[in-house]
Amino acid sequence: DSGVTQTPKHLITATGQRVTLRCSPRSGDLSVYWYQQSLDQGLQFLIQYYNGEERAKGNILERFSAQQFPDLHSELNLSSLELGDSALYFCASSVGVSATYEQYFGPGTRLTVT
Amino acid sequence: EDQVTQSPEALRLQEGESSSLNCSYTVSGLRGLFWYRQDPGKGPEFLFTLYSAGEEKEKERLKATLTKKESFLHITAPKPEDSATYLCAVQTTNDMRFGAGTRLTVKP
Repeated sequence: DSGVTQTPKHLITATGQRVTLRCSPRSGDLSVYWYQQSLDQGLQFLIQYYNGEERAKGNILERFSAQQFPDLHSELNLSSLELGDSALYFCASSVGVSATYEQYFGPGTRLTVT
Repeated sequence: EDQVTQSPEALRLQEGESSSLNCSYTVSGLRGLFWYRQDPGKGPEFLFTLYSAGEEKEKERLKATLTKKESFLHITAPKPEDSATYLCAVQTTNDMRFGAGTRLTVKP
């Protein structure tokens, strides 16, 4: 158990819909990262937040957005969903702002878009 | 463009048969190279971070090494519980890029 929690574990929704994925980092960690893992693309970095502020952006689509709240939990919002958005979404946390700190991953949310 | 390539894609070993996994990278501004282990349906589990060429780190049956262009994950006398996908990731100034992974199966 990494100490990072993600909800829900599974999500099934239809194309065009909007969903919100939630992540709670390990106690004491200030950075939260979001990743997408699909069979054809592998694990892809989406975005990083540190202590409430956006710090780095990867391959995140404009239809996707995230935020980190004062209690440090984070949410990833996915809108206008397409079939290709079906994937495992992982959140990870680390203690510092630099991505060279080791990251601890949550168990993931499996999103299925039908 | 930054690239991270892992080989082989899959590796089957007998218990006790040592081997190495490779991660080659072409990136600008390497800040760190990471190895993770991932079991099916679960999140990656951190193993090592390497920061500069020549660096080595060990943990139980695993040893990671780093050169200027590649990293190796050596597995000594593996056991069936070492079966997993091993992911390599490279942190640059602006990005974190993962390889596709090596799926390791260790048969008893």
